[in-house]
Amino acid sequence: DAGVIQSPRHEVTEMGQEVTLRCKPISGHNSLFWYRQTMMRGLELLIYFNNNVPIDDSGMPEDRFSAKMPNASFSTLKIQPSEPRDSAVYFCASSHGGFGGNEQFFGPGTRLTVL
Amino acid sequence: RKEVEQDPGPFNVPEGATVAFNCTYSNSASQSFFWYRQDCRKEPKLLMSVYSSGNEDGRFTAQLNRASQYISLLIRDSKLSDSATYLCVVKGSGYALNFGKGTSLLVTP
Repeated sequence: DAGVIQSPRHEVTEMGQEVTLRCKPISGHNSLFWYRQTMMRGLELLIYFNNNVPIDDSGMPEDRFSAKMPNASFSTLKIQPSEPRDSAVYFCASSHGGFGGNEQFFGPGTRLTVL
Repeated sequence: RKEVEQDPGPFNVPEGATVAFNCTYSNSASQSFFWYRQDCRKEPKLLMSVYSSGNEDGRFTAQLNRASQYISLLIRDSKLSDSATYLCVVKGSGYALNFGKGTSLLVTP
């Protein structure tokens, strides 16, 4: 079975550019999570969806970040405009069960570098 | 104060050694507890859940002390392949998992 799929795997862009990260959760999973990981701050939850509805976006750092989940099999995280401090690994994870279940399955991540 | 705190290490141990990691959590209402493993430049993966009665999976033993709000992971007979970062994870009544920053383990020949 395919796991969580993320694209692109690597993204290098210049400050001010728009960046769109994509995620396809595991089929049948009803919760989707976006995380950001840096050495300094570790793994931070940005936003999560349940049944395609955003439940909590309090982790989104600022208005430059937005996320959508138009259907059960696709989600995007957009940064516009991007800044060097946005450089990090962005993970998408999915799970099933009530209140997001327990085990979250992570995608391979997108390594973002903003110059 | 971060909700889940771990010693970042690194822990350098020889093959065959026993090593233990601890983590503490601040929210006494936390309900579920886990250890995830993350290999270098890879995604986190669930290693094991942690139950109040303690639980064992092969060489790995996890324990929970609710009164003191800490969780432990014991690895016996360390293998080179155990080298990774171990993330302590706590869940409340909602959807979110709260991750510690991880403890780095390096097992040497």
